[in-house]
Amino acid sequence: QKEVEQNSGPLSVPEGAIASLNCTYSDRGSQSFFWYRQYSGKSPELIMSIYSNGDKEDGRFTAQLNKASQYVSLLIRDSQPSDSATYLCAVNSNRAGNMLTFGGGTRLMVKP
Amino acid sequence: SAVISQKPSRDICQRGTSLTIQCQVDSQVTMMFWYRQQPGQSLTLIATANQGSEATYESGFVIDKFPISRPNLTFSTLTVSNMSPEDSSIYLCSVDSTLTPYGYTFGSGTRLTVV
Repeated sequence: QKEVEQNSGPLSVPEGAIASLNCTYSDRGSQSFFWYRQYSGKSPELIMSIYSNGDKEDGRFTAQLNKASQYVSLLIRDSQPSDSATYLCAVNSNRAGNMLTFGGGTRLMVKP
Repeated sequence: SAVISQKPSRDICQRGTSLTIQCQVDSQVTMMFWYRQQPGQSLTLIATANQGSEATYESGFVIDKFPISRPNLTFSTLTVSNMSPEDSSIYLCSVDSTLTPYGYTFGSGTRLTVV
């Protein structure tokens, strides 16, 4: 079992719709969770972080965390073609050094 | 958050040669991390570079192949040694973001092609 799992996609949504990206993790001791956006040929860009159960909203983005289910998600409201990218889920493990473990990423395509 | 300058941005190298990638950070950071992203894949941690001590390598990565230097708190290098086509990847350095604890900021990456 991979430590952090994501559906590779592609996830295709029409412009203006809500895109829902999901991620599960195996380490129950994980405490910090992050979503990165990576455009093709570019480096990952941190867009959301969440540390406690529940929802965290930032503009069109909402991160949701459920530690009991070991599940974290990212909702993108009013999706735009510019949101088309690969979204990487990352989890901070309890191992020394606060290392992040990344999921395989979900490719999102927003169609005009 | 920290600004990272990484170079070169890309290179095409002959097999058997070595390439050194540099990362310069605009502020002092305790730890720097080196990742590899193979085509179509996610990020894999190569090693953690600490100032004043040897780098800590992840399983599957060895110092002879990927020697790392960390001479001060703002700079690190990663060398890809004795390259083969399988080393063709994007290499990324990153640091812990001061604005989002344990959330990393990444350099712009080095796209390496080995022929």
